[in-house]
Amino acid sequence: KQEVTQIPAALSVPEGENLVLNCSFTDSAIYNLQWFRQDPGKGLTSLLLIQSSQREQTSGRLNASLDKSSGRSTLYIAASQPGDSATYLCAVISGTYKYIFGTGTRLKVLA
Amino acid sequence: DGGITQSPKYLFRKEGQNVTLSCEQNLNHDAMYWYRQDPGQGLRLIYYSQIVNDFQKGDIAEGYSVSREKKESFPLTVTSAQKNPTAFYLCASNTQDGLRGPQHFGDGTRLSIL
Repeated sequence: KQEVTQIPAALSVPEGENLVLNCSFTDSAIYNLQWFRQDPGKGLTSLLLIQSSQREQTSGRLNASLDKSSGRSTLYIAASQPGDSATYLCAVISGTYKYIFGTGTRLKVLA
Repeated sequence: DGGITQSPKYLFRKEGQNVTLSCEQNLNHDAMYWYRQDPGQGLRLIYYSQIVNDFQKGDIAEGYSVSREKKESFPLTVTSAQKNPTAFYLCASNTQDGLRGPQHFGDGTRLSIL
């Protein structure tokens, strides 16, 4: 059974720092991996989607990498800003076409 | 603009009452999903539908029911059999196989017991 883990559960950093969020999954047979952002009381906003054949995706200050063989993905945020404060979730989709979500990393960027 | 609309934003349920959460999408997506989110936990799948008139149970379907009569709509009913309904409910949609594009989410409905 696929399990997705995100470490750390919470993170506080000063503005301007580069940071890395981690996501690990137990079954490497995935079709894709998606990173989301969730603001308090809101739905999820898709940030980056990495297909299983890809190694990384970039959007602006965000870069996500995928290493299927080791069951890991990282989300790199460059030059963090207070507006980046949110919960970041990763999710994988595998054989049953259902997304399995991690519990998220709650990020706070201090001005 | 295309997107997913969930209503109401807040909902209160009395003991023994069934309540229905609305989810409408205009993204022309075949697949739609309902998730439950509790504090400190990840999203858990309640039901999903990959095509009109067909749906499957997710991991926590007990006490919930759905219908999929139209491509655009996937309402969720929280029945009186669901003894702990207080949670944040999220609706999502995607292409039929979920492989070609990102999953899109609505803004959620927060359900509480009176």
